[in-house]
Amino acid sequence: SAVISQKPSRDICQRGTSLTIQCQVDSQVTMMFWYRQQPGQSLTLIATANQGSEATYESGFVIDKFPISRPNLTFSTLTVSNLSPEDSSIYLCSVVRNIQYFGAGTRLSVL
Amino acid sequence: GESVGLHLPTLSVQEGDNSIINCAYSNSASDYFIWYKQESGKGPQFIIDIRSNMDKRQGQRVTVLLNKTVKHLSLQIAATQPGDSAVYFCAESSLEAAGNKLTFGGGTRVLVKP
Repeated sequence: SAVISQKPSRDICQRGTSLTIQCQVDSQVTMMFWYRQQPGQSLTLIATANQGSEATYESGFVIDKFPISRPNLTFSTLTVSNLSPEDSSIYLCSVVRNIQYFGAGTRLSVL
Repeated sequence: GESVGLHLPTLSVQEGDNSIINCAYSNSASDYFIWYKQESGKGPQFIIDIRSNMDKRQGQRVTVLLNKTVKHLSLQIAATQPGDSAVYFCAESSLEAAGNKLTFGGGTRVLVKP
């Protein structure tokens, strides 16, 4: 299994600001992912966080809006920039250790 | 990637009865399928997975069935309990895909009536 800690668990932000979400894993993993879950919806992959190189973004997601860092094999951050109410979602990180495990998520509300 | 869809958005089931949650997938290249359970305020929790070389796999109180001919996946929960109330997602992937990227279905909410 994998123990994943996400911070913050929730936040309320003003339009135009940014929020950085942290994801910490209990031991080293190669693959880390960031997902978005809009209210009442399923999960959509934002990007793959690559250690030592730029993240790989899925269609519809860009680095300027969702910059990602992966400084080592146990930690990653996702920043949601220039927030608008449409960014109100749950953001989840996941890691692969035989199967894919998810953190509890960060619940973001943008006013 | 191609999407994975579900037939029923909400399923109400009497406690003690069996539940069946269905999922249709469209990507014929998918060869790995997973069911997740998401309780309110939590992240998705792995339930069971199945590879395309199998058509049935059983876990504790759960069974996943895979019909590759019609691209259909189902999750059966035996003797449904109040703790089974949650949203259930199917997800699909290709084992050849880098890092096992998952494509999730729309989700089914299961409500267990006492």
